Amino acid sequence: DAKTTQPPSMDCAEGRAANLPCNHSTISGNEYVYWYRQIHSQGPQYIIHGLKNNETNEMASLIITEDRKSSTLILPHATLRDTAVYYCIVRGDRSNYQLIWGAGTKLIIKP
Amino acid sequence: KAGVTQTPRYLIKTRGQQVTLSCSPISGHRSVSWYQQTPGQGLQFLFEYFSETQRNKGNFPGRFSGRQFSNSRSEMNVSTLELGDSALYLCASSLGHREETQYFGPGTRLLVL
Repeated sequence: DAKTTQPPSMDCAEGRAANLPCNHSTISGNEYVYWYRQIHSQGPQYIIHGLKNNETNEMASLIITEDRKSSTLILPHATLRDTAVYYCIVRGDRSNYQLIWGAGTKLIIKP
Repeated sequence: KAGVTQTPRYLIKTRGQQVTLSCSPISGHRSVSWYQQTPGQGLQFLFEYFSETQRNKGNFPGRFSGRQFSNSRSEMNVSTLELGDSALYLCASSLGHREETQYFGPGTRLLVL
């Protein structure tokens, strides 16, 4: 299975952009990059996903490098409510399209 | 649309008992996946059901089983509970095409004493 590598923790000041990196060097051509977050052991919340192109929605932007070996999730104006564990997941036929979870990045937004 | 709902939200059982957890997917979603989350192992895939059939299965013992009904609601059952089964059990639903995004419920927190 394609695996991802994320820093275990990051801090960000409230109101600033939070940039969360993810390495997925073994990703294959038909595998998507998904981002979820989990707040206080609630159910994971879907954020965004992409294949090749950069994506943006009301929550975040996803920047995928041209070689697709890494990506960055951007929360443009972080708030205290964005404090959570963020998971980067590669999903495709090699994982039977199931979500194979790593340890994620604990993002702490500081006032 | 209402989101994924799971019942009960909290449960306490003793070793050796069995437990049944329920998941109601988002309306129109036909696929339901179950995950277990523990502090030591993180989030792990249990199984996925689509149109009342198990389509995928993770690496869990046979004590963990599930089923899906014609209305896409799903249940999972754990028999002969062990202390290590204490976990947050999460259910996720999607439309059914394998590449569709999965949306999660709030989870059922199971404590085995």
